[in-house]
Amino acid sequence: SAVISQKPSRDICQRGTSLTIQCQVDSQVTMMFWYRQQPGQSLTLIATANQGSEATYESGFVIDKFPISRPNLTFSTLTVSNMSPEDSSIYLCSVERGFQETQYFGPGTRLLVL
Amino acid sequence: DQQVKQNSPSLSVQEGRISILNCDYTNSMFDYFLWYKKYPAEGPTFLISISSIKDKNEDGRFTVFLNKSAKHLSLHIVPSQPGDSAVYFCAAISTGTASKLTFGTGTRLQVTL
Repeated sequence: SAVISQKPSRDICQRGTSLTIQCQVDSQVTMMFWYRQQPGQSLTLIATANQGSEATYESGFVIDKFPISRPNLTFSTLTVSNMSPEDSSIYLCSVERGFQETQYFGPGTRLLVL
Repeated sequence: DQQVKQNSPSLSVQEGRISILNCDYTNSMFDYFLWYKKYPAEGPTFLISISSIKDKNEDGRFTVFLNKSAKHLSLHIVPSQPGDSAVYFCAAISTGTASKLTFGTGTRLQVTL
C-alpha cells in the first residue's frame, strides 16, 4: 500500500477565493491523481499529474480552474481557484502502487465554499 | 455514460449474516476490478481486487466474484460485522492502456446488531 497525507483536512472558504491542497506520499511515485467527490456522488477524476510534465485534465476540468503542481516524485498540489459553492466537495489524491497499479487514496480534503 | 453501475444505493444486513454488494459494467475492455471501502471523512481504502482472468478472489471475510459474460461482479462479506458499515465503491480499469479508473456510485452498507 502507500502512506498518503493531505493538507488541509478540511476548510471553509469564501466565494471567489482560492485554496491549495497538498498531497504527500511516503515514497516516490510516477503518477499522482486528483479526484473530486461531490456530495452523494461517486469519485470523479480531475487530472493526472506526472512529475516534470503538465498535468493531464479530464473532460470538464481545466487548468485555469484547477492548476496542479508536481515538483517532485513524492509531492503534488491542487489549487481550486475562484471558488463557488458548487466546488464544495471532498478532494482526494491517489497514487498507483503494486499489482496492476492499484490506486491508493489519501484521507481527502473536505471543502465547503460559502 | 455510466460505465460502472451499482444499482443498490443502500443495503442493510444483520451482524453475522452475509452481505452481497453488486456491480455491473458495460465496457468489455475492463480487465481489472477493485472494491474500495469508504468511511465518512476518510479517503477510500482498497479492499480487494480481481483480474479478468479469474472468476473469484478471496481474502479473509471478503470474496469478489466476476462473471465476465454478464459483465457483473459482486463482493461478499461473511460474516458481516458492525465495523463493515461504510460506503463500498466498485471500480474498473482497462490495464495497459491510458484509460482511467472508473468508479461506481457506491452502496452504503449498514450492518445492524
